[in-house]
Amino acid sequence: DPKIIQKPKYLVAVTGSEKILICEQYLGHNAMYWYRQSAKKPLEFMFSYSYQKLMDNQTASSRFQPQSSKKNHLDLQITALKPDDSATYFCASSHLPGQGANTGQLYFGEGSKLTVL
Amino acid sequence: QQKVQQSPESLTVSEGAMASLNCTFSDRSSDNFRWYRQHSGKGLEVLVSIFSDGEKEEGSFTAHLNRASLHVFLHIREPQPSDSALYLCAPEGTGGYKVVFGSGTRLLVSP
Repeated sequence: DPKIIQKPKYLVAVTGSEKILICEQYLGHNAMYWYRQSAKKPLEFMFSYSYQKLMDNQTASSRFQPQSSKKNHLDLQITALKPDDSATYFCASSHLPGQGANTGQLYFGEGSKLTVL
Repeated sequence: QQKVQQSPESLTVSEGAMASLNCTFSDRSSDNFRWYRQHSGKGLEVLVSIFSDGEKEEGSFTAHLNRASLHVFLHIREPQPSDSALYLCAPEGTGGYKVVFGSGTRLLVSP
């Protein structure tokens, strides 16, 4: 059974619309992340959260907003979508650095592939 | 900010031949180094983690770390076509909650 669930797996959106990508992890981790990967750019860090608090943000645009309703949930809301936002968005989780086995090792979901027309 | 570069960008080897991948990082204070693999259309899976200079073996994967030269290598022994994937290097430590990946080496193992 997948331990990190991302929904939906594929989605198509029109320019200017808004989408929410869902991520849930069942690994007991207390840190969660979003990464983005496209044909033009390698895997790129976006956000990290720990105990539902933002720890690091490398996304310049405020159109990307993470939302954490529970410790094991980290959704990603994207507003005013642009064709350049087309990418596969990966959710990951880990133990907090310095805590638990394999701390820092990231576990990834299978991604949500977003196409913006 | 951590800079990570991987070479070669792509590599084709014959089944059973050794494959060697290179990763260069910029922050010498990085403390953990992991190699991940990504099959097409899938998420990433960790292959081997190394924390100190020298070698670390996990199955057919061997990581070799040399902090002084800012290099970490991955050697794949007797690769199979199923090992064809994107291989990503990820140094950790100083970034805290942020792990920066290299752009990857795309490996193709031909039968």
